[in-house]
Amino acid sequence: DVVLTQSPATLSVTPGERISLSCRASESVDTYLHWYQQKPNESPRLLIKYASQSISGIPSRFSGSGSGTDFTLSINGVELEDLSIYYCQQGNSLPYTFGAGTKLELK
Amino acid sequence: EVQLVESGGGLVQPGASLKLSCVASGFTFSDYWMSWVRQTPGKTMEWIGDIKYDGSYTNYAPSLKNRFTISRDNAKSTLYLQMSNVRSEDTATYYCTRRRGGWFAYWGQGTLVTVSS
Repeated sequence: DVVLTQSPATLSVTPGERISLSCRASESVDTYLHWYQQKPNESPRLLIKYASQSISGIPSRFSGSGSGTDFTLSINGVELEDLSIYYCQQGNSLPYTFGAGTKLELK
Repeated sequence: EVQLVESGGGLVQPGASLKLSCVASGFTFSDYWMSWVRQTPGKTMEWIGDIKYDGSYTNYAPSLKNRFTISRDNAKSTLYLQMSNVRSEDTATYYCTRRRGGWFAYWGQGTLVTVSS
């Protein structure tokens, strides 16, 4: 199985700053890497697909990059509503797997 | 508007069986692969498996293949997850998702399954 390692586990943020979250795969997943946001007491929602493709309805401050084994989710100007857990997920090979998540908290 | 509504969760004893349902609306159910994903109380996400749009093919996480069965009824726009011989580690919120390629575009609100005596 492909293991996805997300870092950091928790990130303390100040509104307005630009931040980057990392997801590293144990083997290449090409660009079959997707990002989800889960707000407290809500279901996950898709943020970015295929490493860097935007999703309709998602604010433009969210962007993704990377290929192979190293991926980054960036938030350009964090807002309070972005305080959530962020998961990466690989869709390159079965079984599909998720990272353990990065939790954004207020500094 | 795409809606996925799960039901069937609750408190179940170890070793018992349970069947979850997910009613879909707002799209042509029979056009899409559907998946189940679960999230443990510790927030770990795990893909359980999926089923082809016509129900003719399924994939499962190897660790769950022998105990979980995914099926669908396209006439009722409903997805099912049959769980057997449940264990404490199956305690989780179970989500129904609409799969596109290898990603999950839409998620239901989830149904909580608690395995305890």
